[in-house]
Amino acid sequence: GEDVEQSLFLSVREGDSSVINCTYTDSSSTYLYWYKQEPGAGLQLLTYIFSNMDMKQDQRLTVLLNKKDKHLSLRIADTQTGDSAIYFCASPDGGATNKLIFGTGTLLAVQP
Amino acid sequence: DTGVSQDPRHKITKRGQNVTFRCDPISEHNRLYWYRQTLGQGPEFLTYFQNEAQLEKSRLLSDRFSAERPKGSFSTLEIQRTEQGDSAMYLCASTQGSSYEQYFGPGTRLTVT
Repeated sequence: GEDVEQSLFLSVREGDSSVINCTYTDSSSTYLYWYKQEPGAGLQLLTYIFSNMDMKQDQRLTVLLNKKDKHLSLRIADTQTGDSAIYFCASPDGGATNKLIFGTGTLLAVQP
Repeated sequence: DTGVSQDPRHKITKRGQNVTFRCDPISEHNRLYWYRQTLGQGPEFLTYFQNEAQLEKSRLLSDRFSAERPKGSFSTLEIQRTEQGDSAMYLCASTQGSSYEQYFGPGTRLTVT
């Protein structure tokens, strides 16, 4: 089945760019997602990218997809303290239900 | 606020007790998912409903777990004879038709003492 992996922790200074990386195993994934989770809260859908795209930009967020290497990244420009959270990469499992397979999450700590 | 609500937000129970959680999806969404998230992990799929039909259950869903969606609207997840290993955040998500966008509720945090 699908497996999704992420690095566990990233620390940046306020105003810098953050880059969160993810690798996945299922090359048939049609969409790939980024979710944000603040402490004690549910998951907020940040953005997603179709598998036939290389890049998607949405305000301060840029998603890059390298299908050959099965690598997905999320870049946050001008990172703010309010961006401190856990970021999850997710991929549908390829079955009929489109249930999501999540990585372990990357904790982003933004230093003022 | 995604429009998906869950109740209660927190539940503390003693081992061996039964608990029930409720999820109210976005009103026009016919597809509903339950996930479980333990500390330091990403959410893991538990079960899926399309309208009122439960179409998939994870191996994580032991016989002590049961889920329903009686009229294709809200859903309940019941855990019988709770164990300490059931302590987790239980998340509900919903989506509409062929959309791939799953919207999550705030979760119910269960603590079994």
